[in-house]
Amino acid sequence: EPEVTQTPSHQVTQMGQEVILRCVPISNHLYFYWYRQILGQKVEFLVSFYNNEISEKSEIFDDQFSVERPDGSNFTLKIRSTKLEDSAMYFCASSEQGTYSQYFGPGTRLTVT
Amino acid sequence: GQQLNQSPQSMFIQEGEDVSMNCTSSSIFNTWLWYKQDPGEGPVLLIALYKAGELTSNGRLTAQFGITRKDSFLNISASIPSDVGIYFCAGQTNAGKSTFGDGTTLTVKP
Repeated sequence: EPEVTQTPSHQVTQMGQEVILRCVPISNHLYFYWYRQILGQKVEFLVSFYNNEISEKSEIFDDQFSVERPDGSNFTLKIRSTKLEDSAMYFCASSEQGTYSQYFGPGTRLTVT
Repeated sequence: GQQLNQSPQSMFIQEGEDVSMNCTSSSIFNTWLWYKQDPGEGPVLLIALYKAGELTSNGRLTAQFGITRKDSFLNISASIPSDVGIYFCAGQTNAGKSTFGDGTTLTVKP
């Protein structure tokens, strides 16, 4: 069964450093998303992406965040200058259509020290 | 922003019992989704609901999309130990953004 994959599974970085989290969505999906989950809390929407542009973003997704689909298979989330409060699980998700079911990857645990 | 109220926050049940949890919102959603999350893993989709009033089953799981489009419930029948985990509801808008509930932590005692 096709699935969303994410790399790395765990990333440790120092405050102020840039990180890039990578995702490979399900191959026939057209809509891509990033969510984050701070430990013990609910999943929070960051951004949705369709047709090579951002469809919607939350207030969390400020100027420090950016997304890109650099080729036909990868979808990346970049955090330009990480802060301690960016420590969380980051989940990538994809769906065939905007209103269809979203399938989540296993997540990248980001630890900012 | 949109908020979902999910209840109960946690449940402790005996194996074999039925479970019910629900989500309500002040906003209308076009799609309701139910996910299960195990520790350290991503949410796994259990059931998707696309139409108001829709009742959908997936094995021992049954979920309904409320007629007002502002609520949904999930029932698990005859619970088993592997049902343990955190269950999240999520309401989805046209753009695909999913708003998640706070989760229901389910513990099943053998």
